[in-house]
Amino acid sequence: RKEVEQDPGPFNVPEGATVAFNCTYSNSASQSFFWYRQDCRKEPKLLMSVYSSGNEDGRFTAQLNRASQYISLLIRDSKLSDSATYLCVVKEGNAGKSTFGDGTTLTVKP
Amino acid sequence: EAEVAQSPRYKITEKSQAVAFWCDPISGHATLYWYRQILGQGPELLVQFQDESVVDDSQLPKDRFSAERLKGVDSTLKIQPAELGDSAMYLCASSRDITTEAFFGQGTRLTVV
Repeated sequence: RKEVEQDPGPFNVPEGATVAFNCTYSNSASQSFFWYRQDCRKEPKLLMSVYSSGNEDGRFTAQLNRASQYISLLIRDSKLSDSATYLCVVKEGNAGKSTFGDGTTLTVKP
Repeated sequence: EAEVAQSPRYKITEKSQAVAFWCDPISGHATLYWYRQILGQGPELLVQFQDESVVDDSQLPKDRFSAERLKGVDSTLKIQPAELGDSAMYLCASSRDITTEAFFGQGTRLTVV
């Protein structure tokens, strides 16, 4: 079993839809969590950090569930420009070792 | 906006040759990471530095790969000899410290022929 698992998708949604991705992790010592966005053949770009209390940035909401060891990303009112691969990242507390999921591909269609 | 600089952007090399990649992190970032990404997969951590010290290189194929960050600033990743299976995107990232978010360079796309 991988340390960080994501549903690869693809998720194909119409513009304006709400879509949610989950990411599960196996290391209970994980301390920091992030969502990145990666466009085709480009580098990953930080989308948002995930805090224990959850956080929201415009149309994007991230949640952390430590008990069940998963993080989630909710995108509301999807735009064509949201089409990308979304990667979750989990960092250990001590060494700060980062582990990426393999990503979830989102395609938003007109 | 400060960026992570990587060079070259693209590299084609023949198998058994040596190849090197360079990374200059965001100024003041103590933690530097080298990742390898194969198409369709997430980035895989190869080596992580805290200043000039290696804190994790458990996934680095040490028989052929080496990495250094001599002055705790820029870093070099070397492969010698390159193999066909090394074809991938090599990404460098940096973060202010070991627990904060990382920022990526544009990567070096390596093709071994």
